Amino acid sequence: EAQVTQNPRYLITVTGKKLTVTCSQNMNHEYMSWYRQDPGLGLRQIYYSMNVEVTDKGDVPEGYKVSRKEKRNFPLILESPSPNQTSLYFCASSRRIASSYEQYFGPGTRLTVT
Amino acid sequence: TQLLEQSPQFLSIQEGENLTVYCNSSSVFSSLQWYRQEPGEGPVLLVTVVTGGEVKKLKRLTFQFGDARKDSSLHITAAQPGDTGLYLCAGLVGGKLIFGQGTELSVKP
Repeated sequence: EAQVTQNPRYLITVTGKKLTVTCSQNMNHEYMSWYRQDPGLGLRQIYYSMNVEVTDKGDVPEGYKVSRKEKRNFPLILESPSPNQTSLYFCASSRRIASSYEQYFGPGTRLTVT
Repeated sequence: TQLLEQSPQFLSIQEGENLTVYCNSSSVFSSLQWYRQEPGEGPVLLVTVVTGGEVKKLKRLTFQFGDARKDSSLHITAAQPGDTGLYLCAGLVGGKLIFGQGTELSVKP
C-alpha cells in the first residue's frame, strides 16, 4: 500500500531535549516536505526537499533541521525544542504532475513541548 | 510571503444546502489545489487545477480556477454530513506549496 508514515504519532517532551520525528514514503517520490499546522494559521511549510541531498527552507524553518540522505526518508530534527514548537506536524511526499505536485500526507505527529 | 486567503473560515449549514468556499490571493499560481482534512488525519488531495478558467467536477463538488490564476472556488451542491471537514486550498509558487488557513465546514443532518 502506497503510504507516508510518521513516528511517533504523539510526543510530549521538555524544553531543550533534542528530538527527531521520522518520515518515510514507499512511493519513490523525489519531493518531500514538512509542515506544521496551527489553529487559524493553516499549514505552513517548514522545509522541503526536491531530491536526495537537496533541501530548502520553507516559510517557518527557524528551530528545525532536516536531512535527506536517501529518497524514502526525510526526518525532522528539533535540536532544542521550545514551547512555541508545540504543534501538529505533517510530512508529505509528492509526485510531479504536469505543472503541479500531488501531495500525499502522513497521519501527523502531535508534539507538545512543556 | 505569498498569502492565500480563504473565506469563510467557518461554515455551519443544514444537509441539502449549497455552499461556496473562496480562495483568493494577489499572487499568480502555476496551479491550485484543494484538500479535505478530517480530524486526526492528514489532508487528502481532492483536485488540482492548472489552467486559468478551468472548471473541474467531482460528484457534487465543483472547483474553479480564476482566469488570472489568482483565485479559486469550491462549490458543494446539496451538502451531506459526510462533507464535514476542513477544506484547504493550496497554491504552487516556484517549488513551494502555500496553504490557505482553511474552511471548517459542518453539515448538520
